[in-house]
Amino acid sequence: DAGVIQSPRHEVTEMGQEVTLRCKPISGHNSLFWYRQTMMRGLELLIYFNNNVPIDDSGMPEDRFSAKMPNASFSTLKIQPSEPRDSAVYFCASRIAGGTYNEQFFGPGTRLTVL
Amino acid sequence: AQSVSQHNHHVILSEAASLELGCNYSYGGTVNLFWYVQYPGQHLQLLLKYFSGDPLVKGIKGFEAEFIKSKFSFNLRKPSVQWSDTAEYFCAVNARDDKIIFGKGTRLHILP
Repeated sequence: DAGVIQSPRHEVTEMGQEVTLRCKPISGHNSLFWYRQTMMRGLELLIYFNNNVPIDDSGMPEDRFSAKMPNASFSTLKIQPSEPRDSAVYFCASRIAGGTYNEQFFGPGTRLTVL
Repeated sequence: AQSVSQHNHHVILSEAASLELGCNYSYGGTVNLFWYVQYPGQHLQLLLKYFSGDPLVKGIKGFEAEFIKSKFSFNLRKPSVQWSDTAEYFCAVNARDDKIIFGKGTRLHILP
């Protein structure tokens, strides 16, 4: 099993540019989560999907952030326009929905630097 | 609403010392509890989890945690830490729906 796959692993961009982060969940998992981790704020849940449908996006910081899940095997997190304060590590995680004992499996993360 | 509180933000220990990291949650019903570990530069990995049965749960690398329902606690323990245990540790709870609530994390630094 390849685990949760994220790309790119590192992204350096300039302020104002559009950034797209990608995630492929573990096959058979039907819940997908996007997190942001910084030293100051720790691990923050941005949004999660069940069966490709966004369930809770209350953690999305502002309208510059958007996430989609067009099918069960792919999700994107887009930041447009990006700002230096968006610099963070973005993690994607997946799990099997419907069982609260099911753990989440995390991807390796995308380290985003906005100059 | 569910919440998780980790008492210590930063813990420094010497090798071979015993470890206990505190975790309390707020939810009155049935819960499932997790401890995740994040080694420097890596992603979060499951250390152990509790969902039913024996309240003393054993995980990988010699870690264990005890669920005490009356205290709403799920403290992580290890009798003798190693330098390689240097990492950040996250307690998490899932009581309903599909959202796992994570604590703020405890950074553990082991001195060689």
